Amino acid sequence: EVQLVQSGAEVRKPGESLKISCKGSGYDFSSTYWIGWVRQMPGKGLEWMGIIYPGDSNTRYSPSFQGHVTISADKSISTTYLQWTSLEASDTAMYYCARVPGISPRRNFDYWGQGTLVTVSS
Amino acid sequence: QSALTQPASVSGSPGQSITISCTGTSSDVGGYNYVSWYQQHPGKAPKLMIYEVNNRPSWVSNRFSGSKSGNTASLTISGLQAEDEADYYCSSYATYSPGYVFGTGTKVTVL
Repeated sequence: EVQLVQSGAEVRKPGESLKISCKGSGYDFSSTYWIGWVRQMPGKGLEWMGIIYPGDSNTRYSPSFQGHVTISADKSISTTYLQWTSLEASDTAMYYCARVPGISPRRNFDYWGQGTLVTVSS
Repeated sequence: QSALTQPASVSGSPGQSITISCTGTSSDVGGYNYVSWYQQHPGKAPKLMIYEVNNRPSWVSNRFSGSKSGNTASLTISGLQAEDEADYYCSSYATYSPGYVFGTGTKVTVL
């Protein structure tokens, strides 16, 4: 069974750093699948943030998030990460990881993690 | 790189059919057959319902179908049921992103 299990909810202050994770299981994590990250702010829609190919860490970012977050992967433990060095209150949101099949990142998100709620408040 | 345009809400009675539209441009919806649809119940993660315009994953009822004409994709739900009440989002590969763009989302209400 394919599963993406994300790390738990986090509360941080503005300016602090944070790294959340997404661990895959039930499939070949480092071959022919990408992992994307999606933001959902409270009461709002889905926004694509970026995507990584864990096999070689090839990463692409939405222009809206480039420079504000870093996506990385450790294929040895089937885990991808989403990281901030300086959080802002506007980063308060639910963050989802999702799998994309294929050798190029064009297709659908077929399996999703349960989401990680990040709250940034002073 | 704006979001794809969806109606804010669509409603229907049990047993009826409804259609949700998703309008983009030739650089996303119109240019590729990589349109997908997601269902999201409150407090839950999104769930894939349609991929590559008109394909259903094994876990999705055949009451759900997808299509595309020009720059507009559509999701049709036939035989509407109470459990279909949720938010629905379209998504497409987009050359300008470079990656993906989501729709604005549609709240489906079963009357």
